[in-house]
Amino acid sequence: QVQLVQSGAEVKKPGASVKVSCKVSGYTLTELSMHWVRQAPGKGLEWMGGFDPEDGETIYAQKFQGRVTMTEDTSTDTAYMELSSLRSEDTAVYYCATAGSMVRGDPFDYWGQGTLVTVSS
Amino acid sequence: SYELTQPLSVSVALGQTARITCGGNNIGSKNVHWYQQKPGQAPVLVIYRDSNRPSGIPERFSGSNSGNTATLTISRAQAGDEADYYCQVWDSSTAGVFGGGTKLTVL
Repeated sequence: QVQLVQSGAEVKKPGASVKVSCKVSGYTLTELSMHWVRQAPGKGLEWMGGFDPEDGETIYAQKFQGRVTMTEDTSTDTAYMELSSLRSEDTAVYYCATAGSMVRGDPFDYWGQGTLVTVSS
Repeated sequence: SYELTQPLSVSVALGQTARITCGGNNIGSKNVHWYQQKPGQAPVLVIYRDSNRPSGIPERFSGSNSGNTATLTISRAQAGDEADYYCQVWDSSTAGVFGGGTKLTVL
């Protein structure tokens, strides 16, 4: 059983960066394809990016390219999502999610609890 | 880019059948997954690869996918089924895509 535990809420000023972590237990990170999904207040789910096991690389939604970086520390089984040049529209709950597999297109069986990032001056 | 279209809201009488649609160009050729999200909670997978139920999901939840429309069907709707529902696919050009979400109200 995969468990994903995310870091705590953050408050950032416009223009700053935020780095959210997602600690994996029950599996090792090398066995999983990790993705990040965000949800603005009152809005729907938005896929930001994740690891594509078929290409062997992390891919990002076009909307976030150049502003987001997703990394992994396999020594601690922790995934990270860093978003830069923050603006008020980036205020959202950020989730890590994984299929519990390394198969492209598999569903997101496991989700972190979410991390609220608030961008405010 | 690939887009998925869902109705903003669906209402169903208690005990009746709710159907939530997800439209996309030739979506029938893709694997569609469905998630349920209740207020303040992370999404939960309820249907994967069009019509498969994860363990622990009631048989009342079913799915189908053909042509340009995928459908999530909830039979014998209960008050506890009230939630937002999202469809999701993996597209070769757009990668991960979610529909806009449908709010299900049980009357």
